[in-house]
Amino acid sequence: SAVISQKPSRDICQRGTSLTIQCQVDSQVTMMFWYRQQPGQSLTLIATANQGSEATYESGFVIDKFPISRPNLTFSTLTVSNMSPEDSSIYLCSVGVQETQYFGPGTRLLVL
Amino acid sequence: KQEVTQIPAALSVPEGENLVLNCSFTDSAIYNLQWFRQDPGKGLTSLLLIQSSQREQTSGRLNASLDKSSGRSTLYIAASQPGDSATYLCAVRPIQGAQKLVFGQGTRLTINP
Repeated sequence: SAVISQKPSRDICQRGTSLTIQCQVDSQVTMMFWYRQQPGQSLTLIATANQGSEATYESGFVIDKFPISRPNLTFSTLTVSNMSPEDSSIYLCSVGVQETQYFGPGTRLLVL
Repeated sequence: KQEVTQIPAALSVPEGENLVLNCSFTDSAIYNLQWFRQDPGKGLTSLLLIQSSQREQTSGRLNASLDKSSGRSTLYIAASQPGDSATYLCAVRPIQGAQKLVFGQGTRLTINP
């Protein structure tokens, strides 16, 4: 299994600002995944983060808006840049261990 | 493009009843299917994982089945309890080697004491 922690757990931000979300895993993993869950919606993959290379973004998501860092095999950050109220969501970090996907507790973001 | 649908969107039943949640997917070329539970304001908890070669998996009062050819999975909950109240999400992993998941919209389950 994997234990994943995220910081912050929640935040309220003003539009136009940026927020960096941290994800820490208790074991070394090759890939880390960032998902977004908009209010009342299901989860959508934003990007896949590999250590030592640039993240791979899904359709509709761009690096300028959601820059990702992956400095080592247990840690990643996702930045939500130039925020607008439409960015209000839960952002979740995920890893795969032996075929099973595990998720962090999420970061609840409200943009005013 | 893989699409995952869950029916019903919400379900409310009295405590003690057995119930079935449904999940369907449009592309049968999946590597595996996973059921999750999400409590309000919380992250996801993995409940059951079914590989594409498997027909079902069981954990305690939970049983998940998979019919890949028809693009369907069910989650059976026996003897439901108020603590089972949560949103249940179905997710498929489309192809081998790509760990990303495609999620359904979820079923919001309420068990009434």
